[in-house]
Amino acid sequence: KQEVTQIPAALSVPEGENLVLNCSFTDSAIYNLQWFRQDPGKGLTSLLLIQSSQREQTSGRLNASLDKSSGRSTLYIAASQPGDSATYLCAVRFRRETSGSRLTFGEGTQLTVNP
Amino acid sequence: EAGVTQFPSHSVIEKGQTVTLRCDPISGHDNLYWYRRVMGKEIKFLLHFVKESKQDESGMPNNRFLAERTGGTYSTLKVQPAELEDSGVYFCASSQDTRLAAVNFGSGTRLTVV
Repeated sequence: KQEVTQIPAALSVPEGENLVLNCSFTDSAIYNLQWFRQDPGKGLTSLLLIQSSQREQTSGRLNASLDKSSGRSTLYIAASQPGDSATYLCAVRFRRETSGSRLTFGEGTQLTVNP
Repeated sequence: EAGVTQFPSHSVIEKGQTVTLRCDPISGHDNLYWYRRVMGKEIKFLLHFVKESKQDESGMPNNRFLAERTGGTYSTLKVQPAELEDSGVYFCASSQDTRLAAVNFGSGTRLTVV
């Protein structure tokens, strides 16, 4: 069964700290992996998309890496700010699906950055 | 460019009633998806349209759920009759192509069945 797991489920850090969120997936045959952010009561905001042929993607203070062979991705947030507080979701597009088009989500990591 | 829009943002209905959720994808996106998050669980796939055709509806929980996308533009998701376990947040998403493009999500419709 193709599954996505995110650890930790919740994380609280002081402002300014660098942090890493983890995502693991059970099947290395993927098209891509996408990181999202969700603020309370809001929709999902796409942060980074990594294709299966890529090792990492960067956007501002965010850096996402992909290690397909080990089934892992990390989201690195540099110099965290209170505004980074949100739930971060990892979603994988597995190849061995009915259509290869659906995203399989992890349960998310709830991040709190304290001033 | 307008994002994926969903209506209503919230809906509270009684068990046994009917509710229809609407989604307008990003203009030009042929691929439209419905997902759902029920309390305490991860977001799960419901179905996928390519233009007006259902590409994959294997995630639909049962025949009380009906999705349509007439003309390949906006989509509706009808729940009839609603049950308590249908409560959750229903997300619509769209993308330019089926497998490689980023998927863009709407703000969701929070459905509460009482």
